[in-house]
Amino acid sequence: DVKVTQSSRYLVKRTGEKVFLECVQDMDHENMFWYRQDPGLGLRLIYFSYDVKMKEKGDIPEGYSVSREKKERFSLILESASTNQTSMYLCASSLEPGLRNEKLFFGSGTQLSVL
Amino acid sequence: DQQVKQNSPSLSVQEGRISILNCDYTNSMFDYFLWYKKYPAEGPTFLISISSIKDKNEDGRFTVFLNKSAKHLSLHIVPSQPGDSAVYFCAASGMDSNYQLIWGAGTKLIIKP
Repeated sequence: DVKVTQSSRYLVKRTGEKVFLECVQDMDHENMFWYRQDPGLGLRLIYFSYDVKMKEKGDIPEGYSVSREKKERFSLILESASTNQTSMYLCASSLEPGLRNEKLFFGSGTQLSVL
Repeated sequence: DQQVKQNSPSLSVQEGRISILNCDYTNSMFDYFLWYKKYPAEGPTFLISISSIKDKNEDGRFTVFLNKSAKHLSLHIVPSQPGDSAVYFCAASGMDSNYQLIWGAGTKLIIKP
């Protein structure tokens, strides 16, 4: 079974802090993704990566950056956390090569609260 | 404007009966559709998918129907079981979305014993 592990289940940070959300997958997947989930809005793609050191912006990249130094690890960084970044953050990976990455495997999520 | 809409935030169904979850989309370029299921404190898990070249796909108790002319898909669960209680997300992708998934807001399904 594919396992996608997110380092924290709950996180509370203050406005202006730099926040790191870590994600590790153990199935040698090429593709990794960061989403945020908000009530009434579904999942929205923040950033994704098809390869080590490669990153692409998703639909809502503003205020976020990512890092993929190793194939199995994909980090989401909030440079200066703001209250509107309070959300559930979900990391995912997928096996399919090329452009079509629809079948995703998700971690359990990190509920981030920014005060 | 949301391209994938799940208009029912919640649905309650008696155990053993059929659950029907609906999803509408606006982008005619979407050509692949998926349903994911999410339990509390867990990430979504893939349930079933359908390509636009088909109008039906079945996997055990789960069947997805696609009506391209109406831009509508539905997930049927027969018979419904207590373990089916979860949030169900509809998602779509196509060339216009660079093949990234566009997600609906989810429908919370509650199966009553």
